[in-house]
Amino acid sequence: DVKVTQSSRYLVKRTGEKVFLECVQDMDHENMFWYRQDPGLGLRLIYFSYDVKMKEKGDIPEGYSVSREKKERFSLILESASTNQTSMYLCASSLAGVLETQYFGPGTRLLVL
Amino acid sequence: TQLLEQSPQFLSIQEGENLTVYCNSSSVFSSLQWYRQEPGEGPVLLVTVVTGGEVKKLKRLTFQFGDARKDSSLHITAAQPGDTGLYLCAGHFPAGTALIFGKGTTLSVSS
Repeated sequence: DVKVTQSSRYLVKRTGEKVFLECVQDMDHENMFWYRQDPGLGLRLIYFSYDVKMKEKGDIPEGYSVSREKKERFSLILESASTNQTSMYLCASSLAGVLETQYFGPGTRLLVL
Repeated sequence: TQLLEQSPQFLSIQEGENLTVYCNSSSVFSSLQWYRQEPGEGPVLLVTVVTGGEVKKLKRLTFQFGDARKDSSLHITAAQPGDTGLYLCAGHFPAGTALIFGKGTTLSVSS
């Protein structure tokens, strides 16, 4: 079974802190994705990566950066957390190819105070 | 911006009832996926449809892709409490590489 794990299920941070969200997949997938999920807004793509050290902006990249130094790991960084970044963050991975299934992690619920 | 409209946003029904969830776009999809998400978990893929007019069945769930590939529906027959969750449609558009998600339909089935 594909497994996508996220470093924390719940996280509480203060405004201005630097926040790291880690995602690891164990199926040698080429593609990895970071989404945020908010009530009434659905899933919105922040960044994705199709290879090591490669990244592409999604729909809402402002205030975020990413890092993919190893194939299995994709990190989302909030350089200076703000209250409007309070959200559920979901990581996903997939094989290369447009029709491939995305496998999601359980999510990290981030609260920024 | 390509949008996916899902309806209804919320659905609360009794066990044994039938229901249909709709997913529509003004643009043509190259493929469309349906996911189900339970509270506290990430979405899990239910089905992928690719061909216009395609119908796929997964036990009591029937998925249909419109002939013009601009719409899709999910029909659940004799809903059970275990069907409770958030149902998301997500589409690939020919010009794009990323999945576009609808806002989801929250289904609650009570016994």
